[in-house]
Amino acid sequence: DAGVIQSPRHEVTEMGQEVTLRCKPISGHNSLFWYRQTMMRGLELLIYFNNNVPIDDSGMPEDRFSAKMPNASFSTLKIQPSEPRDSAVYFCASSPGTSGYTDTQYFGPGTRLTVL
Amino acid sequence: EDKVVQSPLSLVVHEGDTVTLNCSYEVTNFRSLLWYKQEKKAPTFLFMLTSSGIEKKSGRLSSILDKKELFSILNITATQTGDSAIYLCAVERGGSNYKLTFGKGTLLTVNP
Repeated sequence: DAGVIQSPRHEVTEMGQEVTLRCKPISGHNSLFWYRQTMMRGLELLIYFNNNVPIDDSGMPEDRFSAKMPNASFSTLKIQPSEPRDSAVYFCASSPGTSGYTDTQYFGPGTRLTVL
Repeated sequence: EDKVVQSPLSLVVHEGDTVTLNCSYEVTNFRSLLWYKQEKKAPTFLFMLTSSGIEKKSGRLSSILDKKELFSILNITATQTGDSAIYLCAVERGGSNYKLTFGKGTLLTVNP
């Protein structure tokens, strides 16, 4: 099993540009999560999908952030326009069940985003 | 607002020592508490606790939850250098306002 796949692994962009992060969950998993991690704020849940439907997006910081899951094998997190304070490592995770966060989550390697 | 506080923030020990990591929380409609280990890259799941007083164990790691006092501890016995990592605690809120809140983590360094 390839595990959760994220791309790109590193992204450097300039303030104001649009950034799109991509995630392929583990095949057969029903739930997908997007997280952001910084030194200051730690690990934060941004959004949680179950069967491609957003269940909890209360962690999405503001309207500049949007996430989609058009099918069971692909999700995107978009930031438009990006700002320097968005610099962080963004993780995608998937889990096999439908019980929310209590199912074991498998994390991808993360995308390190730097906004100049 | 839900809150998860971990202590200590960092800890340095020698191989063979036993360590106890703490996690206290405030959450409406508690559903579960989760422990993760994060080495250089992504977090990996360790334990999920829902009931008070029941110890979860995996090798040298164990964890217990106290729902009355609102805390959990993670114990690591006979520590090894490979245990060096950030240990994250997270609390899940159930009900209609589903949410998962992480603590800032404890950085554990195990020296040879």
